[in-house]
Amino acid sequence: GIQVEQSPPDLILQEGANSTLRCNFSDSVNNLQWFHQNPWGQLINLFYIPSGTKQNGRLSATTVATERYSLLYISSSQTTDSGVYFCAVGGSGNTGKLIFGQGTTLQVKP
Amino acid sequence: DVKVTQSSRYLVKRTGEKVFLECVQDMDHENMFWYRQDPGLGLRLIYFSYDVKMKEKGDIPEGYSVSREKKERFSLILESASTNQTSMYLCASSFVDRGGYGYTFGSGTRLTVV
Repeated sequence: GIQVEQSPPDLILQEGANSTLRCNFSDSVNNLQWFHQNPWGQLINLFYIPSGTKQNGRLSATTVATERYSLLYISSSQTTDSGVYFCAVGGSGNTGKLIFGQGTTLQVKP
Repeated sequence: DVKVTQSSRYLVKRTGEKVFLECVQDMDHENMFWYRQDPGLGLRLIYFSYDVKMKEKGDIPEGYSVSREKKERFSLILESASTNQTSMYLCASSFVDRGGYGYTFGSGTRLTVV
């Protein structure tokens, strides 16, 4: 099956700093998602981005499907950005099944 | 606001008990999923359902079964709970349209089997 690797595993930032999270995947995908899990465990869907670039406020994501990687950019980080960021991918078909990476744990210090 | 509701936030059960985890969504989504989350392992798919009474095994179905009698409800059943099933269980529903796929997760059930 498809393998998903995220880096770095852990990241500590000072408030206001920028960061880039990376997701590599081992095969072609038709579905790529970025999620944020807050410290209380709630998972929030950030982006659906199997290719191209999207932006939502201070967050943006880029997927280069031909090279099998995706990047999540966080600009001007805030303490509320803390938590775990997951990349998840799905292959062919419309079942919506996702394979998750192991996540990047982000801590933003005030 | 769309919601996926899991019946319990915390649950403690004894080894050998039959355990039911309930999940309800109010978005008329076709697809529903059960994942478990363990430290260092990320989220792993247990079962998913793409329609009423339809189900498929995920990556780790052993020791679990599911039921989807109504579109809005997807139940995870631990037939005989064991200590290695102590974990965080997350339910999700999803849709697909012209804009792509979207997902909503429940708040999770932290199950401890003693």
